[in-house]
Amino acid sequence: DTAVSQTPKYLVTQMGNDKSIKCEQNLGHDTMYWYKQDSKKFLKIMFSYNNKELIINETVPNRFSPKSPDKAHLNLHINSLELGDSAVYFCASSQGGGGSYGYTFGSGTRLTVV
Amino acid sequence: DQQVKQNSPSLSVQEGRISILNCDYTNSMFDYFLWYKKYPAEGPTFLISISSIKDKNEDGRFTVFLNKSAKHLSLHIVPSQPGDSAVYFCAASVTGTASKLTFGTGTRLQVTL
Repeated sequence: DTAVSQTPKYLVTQMGNDKSIKCEQNLGHDTMYWYKQDSKKFLKIMFSYNNKELIINETVPNRFSPKSPDKAHLNLHINSLELGDSAVYFCASSQGGGGSYGYTFGSGTRLTVV
Repeated sequence: DQQVKQNSPSLSVQEGRISILNCDYTNSMFDYFLWYKKYPAEGPTFLISISSIKDKNEDGRFTVFLNKSAKHLSLHIVPSQPGDSAVYFCAASVTGTASKLTFGTGTRLQVTL
């Protein structure tokens, strides 16, 4: 019954590998996001999709590629992982821009690159 | 260029007392402000919001105050309960289809018995 679910919850991988994180929401929302929380606890937006269309693409290395096969799913693929990619990645969804209810977040994926 | 700042990384309050969490912002285009609560190993959960046309919004024990001229908002929790112990994030947005939330770095609230 989880509203926004991310898999995996933990991911440990070596530098140079390629990995994916999956996100699904069952709230019927039309907008989905990826946020990154770094070691300093900053939560920063990476990407936003509205009805499968990319609408926000912050300054993120092009090793990061989001894919939205439908409006309920937003996956994040990361190529050639680097140590600095270690962080917690949160998926979120909202109806439109979020309005007074903001976003619904998933529980996060802790990525550790060794 | 941190546009949303929470200058107190932590706060400890006794159960039953008032907790006041503060947030400052620099971008005058922000017109919606939200507070999120986060427990360890979970995602942030929405708590309360306020539009820039208001200066106060109340929901049960939680009240958010907005001072636009000072670019300052605060979250009051009365009375504080042990279950309120969490990290609280302030966030701001500019209303629109492509809106995004800009977060502060959070304040860890510890409510003691």
